[in-house]
Amino acid sequence: SQQGEEDPQALSIQEGENATMNCSYKTSINNLQWYRQNSGRGLVHLILIRSNEREKHSGRLRVTLDTSKKSSSLLITASRAADTASYFCATVIYNQGGKLIFGQGTELSVKP
Amino acid sequence: KAGVTQTPRYLIKTRGQQVTLSCSPISGHRSVSWYQQTPGQGLQFLFEYFSETQRNKGNFPGRFSGRQFSNSRSEMNVSTLELGDSALYLCASARGQGASEQFFGPGTRLTVL
Repeated sequence: SQQGEEDPQALSIQEGENATMNCSYKTSINNLQWYRQNSGRGLVHLILIRSNEREKHSGRLRVTLDTSKKSSSLLITASRAADTASYFCATVIYNQGGKLIFGQGTELSVKP
Repeated sequence: KAGVTQTPRYLIKTRGQQVTLSCSPISGHRSVSWYQQTPGQGLQFLFEYFSETQRNKGNFPGRFSGRQFSNSRSEMNVSTLELGDSALYLCASARGQGASEQFFGPGTRLTVL
């Protein structure tokens, strides 16, 4: 069963706008990661946030983690058409090695 | 540095047959994991290998098996194929064992007729 649930399932915005995706999970985690997937291809790692971190930045990406609410959000600022993709959160649970448990994903469409 | 490679990229099989998928990790990476992606079930973990040992296994029937070789390359085998095995199979490699970022290959698209 999926550990994470993401919302929205689909998001359509204009270039230049910000996109926010949310992820909730069920059990305590070691870390949470965000991945991007373009049209059924391989996944690309975007950012990893550990359970003792609250916020992390990488370029136009900002990730927050609230372990008390078991939730995370991914913010993409000043979006571009090239950001059009599916975005997945994945959790890693303690003592389960590198096993990633994925959410269902958010499909982002950025219109030029 | 070359990325994760998977062969073949596309495969068409019929029910009852078996299939072997191959994954070559990034040079220096010793951990390889496999995932199945379908429209209905999403991305699901199959196995994780490190130093030729299976470290983790997902909730898949025994028809799904895998192995890792001394050069860290990995293979995944599915026997007695069913229609529901049609999926994108993704391989990921990581530098060490444990909870770190993973680098994914382009996947093998398996269609079972």
